Amino acid sequence: GNSVTQMEGPVTLSEEAFLTINCTYTATGYPSLFWYVQYPGEGLQLLLKATKADDKGSNKGFEATYRKETTSFHLEKGSVQVSDSAVYFCARSGGSQGNLIFGKGTKLSVKP
Amino acid sequence: EPEVTQTPSHQVTQMGQEVILRCVPISNHLYFYWYRQILGQKVEFLVSFYNNEISEKSEIFDDQFSVERPDGSNFTLKIRSTKLEDSAMYFCASSEARARGTGELFFGEGSRLTVL
Repeated sequence: GNSVTQMEGPVTLSEEAFLTINCTYTATGYPSLFWYVQYPGEGLQLLLKATKADDKGSNKGFEATYRKETTSFHLEKGSVQVSDSAVYFCARSGGSQGNLIFGKGTKLSVKP
Repeated sequence: EPEVTQTPSHQVTQMGQEVILRCVPISNHLYFYWYRQILGQKVEFLVSFYNNEISEKSEIFDDQFSVERPDGSNFTLKIRSTKLEDSAMYFCASSEARARGTGELFFGEGSRLTVL
């Protein structure tokens, strides 16, 4: 099937801790992969993306590498901040018109 | 910075009633989408719209749903006769060009629909 699975939340970390949010996908072919973020009271925003195997997407200190061999796109950040508190959604490209297939989302809370 | 806006932010309705959710996409965008997220579940694709017609829809988007671009700015989702299971957050999105492979969709803040 075509799906995206990401780790269950919520995730609670202290400021400056290391973050990993796991994401794996199933697909025929090689989809593009994305991380979207939803800050409280706002819409979904593209955080980073990777369009082919071994690509690394990065933005705002977050990184994710497209791993074809493990069908994964784990999100990492070396030192989280309180302002990173949000819900993070892993997604892959789906149909021909650009619709996305999302994971359930992982809520991250960062404590000072 | 241009943004996608949605109204209402929250609507409560009785089962069987019609609901219209409104969206104003970013002005130079050509592709429009509706997604929904039932509480605790995945964000699910409903429909995409281009050149004044539906270009793709999911199996969720049955005869109870319709979309329309009634003028040059609004993009609406209508649910003809709401059911309890339609309770969800509905997200509108738009993209500048055919987003296949690039996926940069710009999302609104969502409209929460509660069906009683």
